[in-house]
Amino acid sequence: DVKVTQSSRYLVKRTGEKVFLECVQDMDHENMFWYRQDPGLGLRLIYFSYDVKMKEKGDIPEGYSVSREKKERFSLILESASTNQTSMYLCASNARVAGSDTQYFGPGTRLTVL
Amino acid sequence: AQTVTQSQPEMSVQEAETVTLSCTYDTSESDYYLFWYKQPPSRQMILVIRQEAYKQQNATENRFSVNFQKAAKSFSLKISDSQLGDAAMYFCASVTGANSKLTFGKGITLSVRP
Repeated sequence: DVKVTQSSRYLVKRTGEKVFLECVQDMDHENMFWYRQDPGLGLRLIYFSYDVKMKEKGDIPEGYSVSREKKERFSLILESASTNQTSMYLCASNARVAGSDTQYFGPGTRLTVL
Repeated sequence: AQTVTQSQPEMSVQEAETVTLSCTYDTSESDYYLFWYKQPPSRQMILVIRQEAYKQQNATENRFSVNFQKAAKSFSLKISDSQLGDAAMYFCASVTGANSKLTFGKGITLSVRP
């Protein structure tokens, strides 16, 4: 079974803090994704990566950056957390193989910025 | 650009009954995939069912089936013999063959009455 893990289920940070959200997958997937989920808005893509050290902006990249130094790990960074970044953050991965577009999700991190 | 629309925010079904969740999408691509994901209160996003656009046959997974109407760009999910464990938020999503970026609808909350 594919396993995607996220470093924390719940996180509380203060405005202005630097925040790291970690995601690890164990299936040697090329693609990894970070989404945020807000009520009434569904899931919105922040960034994705299709290979080590490669990244592309998603629909809402402002205020975020990412890092992918190893294939299995994809980090989301909030350089200076703000209250409007309070949200649920979901990581996902999939293989870059035709017909294997199914994304597998981690359990999510509920981030609260005070 | 792709768009996915789930117009009903909530639905309710009696246990053992059948319920249909609606989804419409829009894409200019000819090669795409459609998905239904389930997110129970535990928040783990789980794939329910997947449909390749080039296949005319509707996908089926046990009690879950889809009604894929390509010309109408409609992709509804039917849940038969509803169970209490089906209570969750359901997201419709699409991805084109050109990349792996999922576009999600806003989701629908399904409750199951005992």
